[in-house]
Amino acid sequence: KQEVTQIPAALSVPEGENLVLNCSFTDSAIYNLQWFRQDPGKGLTSLLLIQSSQREQTSGRLNASLDKSSGRSTLYIAASQPGDSATYLCAVRTGANNLFFGTGTRLTVIP
Amino acid sequence: SAVISQKPSRDICQRGTSLTIQCQVDSQVTMMFWYRQQPGQSLTLIATANQGSEATYESGFVIDKFPISRPNLTFSTLTVSNMSPEDSSIYLCSVELWESAYNEQFFGPGTRLTVL
Repeated sequence: KQEVTQIPAALSVPEGENLVLNCSFTDSAIYNLQWFRQDPGKGLTSLLLIQSSQREQTSGRLNASLDKSSGRSTLYIAASQPGDSATYLCAVRTGANNLFFGTGTRLTVIP
Repeated sequence: SAVISQKPSRDICQRGTSLTIQCQVDSQVTMMFWYRQQPGQSLTLIATANQGSEATYESGFVIDKFPISRPNLTFSTLTVSNMSPEDSSIYLCSVELWESAYNEQFFGPGTRLTVL
C-alpha cells in the first residue's frame, strides 16, 4: 500500500524567506501528484498537479518538482508571505479512485 | 476546475442524532467522493458515490453509519448516523475531473462537525 510522508510536520519562517516542503512516497508507480493548501477548519485548495511524466510545475511563487524514481516531491515557495500560512498536503494518485494523502506540513510565516 | 459547495459549513450536534451533509458541484461528474479528516489528521476516504448505483465504502466504513445518496450528476449527500463524539471531524466532498489526459481532484470547503 502506498504511504505518503511529509517532513517537517511544522515549519515557521520569517516573511520573505524562500522555503521547501518535502513529500515522499513509497511506491513510484504513480499517475500524478497534487499539492493542496488547507486553511484551518477549511477545505482543500488545489495548488499544483504534476503528471508522472513531468519533472516540475510552476504557478506564481510556487514551484513543485517530482522525482518519481526516488519517490520524492518538493514544493518550493518563494518570498513567503504571512498569507501563505496554512497546512500544505501532498497526495499521490496510483489509479482511478486511489488518492493517498500525506499528513501535511503546517507552515507559519511570521511577519 | 470545479466549484463545490457544501451545507452546512459547520454544526454542533448531540450524541445519538444524525446529520445530513449536502454537496453540490457546478458541473456534471461521474464520481463524487466523501472524505473525513479527524482533528490533526490527514484525509481518509469514506466512500465513492456514482450516480445510479450504491456507494462503494472503504474499509472501516459502513452504509448503516454513513448512508450516501447520489440522485444526479451534480449532487450528493452524506449522512452521519447515530453520532458519537468520535465522529467529530471535518467532512469533505470531492470530485475528480479529467482534463485532457489527466485527472485532478477538487474539494469542497468542508463541513465541520462537533458531536457533544
